[in-house]
Amino acid sequence: EADIYQTPRYLVIGTGKKITLECSQTMGHDKMYWYQQDPGMELHLIHYSYGVNSTEKGDLSSESTVSRIRTEHFPLTLESARPSHTSQYLCASSETANIHNEQFFGPGTRLTVL
Amino acid sequence: AQSVTQLDSHVSVSEGTPVLLRCNYSSSYSPSLFWYVQHPNKGLQLLLKYTSAATLVKGINGFEAEFKKSETSFHLTKPSAHMSDAAEYFCVVTLPNTGFQKLVFGTGTRLLVSP
Repeated sequence: EADIYQTPRYLVIGTGKKITLECSQTMGHDKMYWYQQDPGMELHLIHYSYGVNSTEKGDLSSESTVSRIRTEHFPLTLESARPSHTSQYLCASSETANIHNEQFFGPGTRLTVL
Repeated sequence: AQSVTQLDSHVSVSEGTPVLLRCNYSSSYSPSLFWYVQHPNKGLQLLLKYTSAATLVKGINGFEAEFKKSETSFHLTKPSAHMSDAAEYFCVVTLPNTGFQKLVFGTGTRLLVSP
């Protein structure tokens, strides 16, 4: 079954740790996205990718980085986590052929930095 | 530029009564519009989408929305609320056929359903 996966679902870590949030999709979509969502707030785009070896910054400035070495995989990395990074991170994907840009979302990773 | 305004941050209904979640949009061109639902600790699920075909759009779980260009609105409705409808709902606008299209999210409406 085609789907989009995120791991871990929940992560609690201390300040200064390096973390990687994983995102994988099995739908063969070329476009992938990372959104940040604070509780009770809207989603803000922080990174996106058109395809392999393509990554771009989104609307909301973020200290995280992303990579796209394989079509199905779009991990997000924080080199040194801080309490201000505490948030929910949602990964999404879409296909270029879909002119309406319908995006499919993963379940999210809720990150807490102590 | 596109924007979306969800007029209510919270809506409370009783089970079995109608649901109305309001959304107004702003767009220079003919937009595509979506409603997504987010249950607690879950990702977003597409409820329905308007893509310039029929103005009355039917979605999953009995939801529907009507695109009204004259009112720049895309309100979400359901005739009879169910307890499982309690969730956060996001109205989203984008421009089709313009290369990379960003989704612009509203601030969300939390639907509360009481027995």
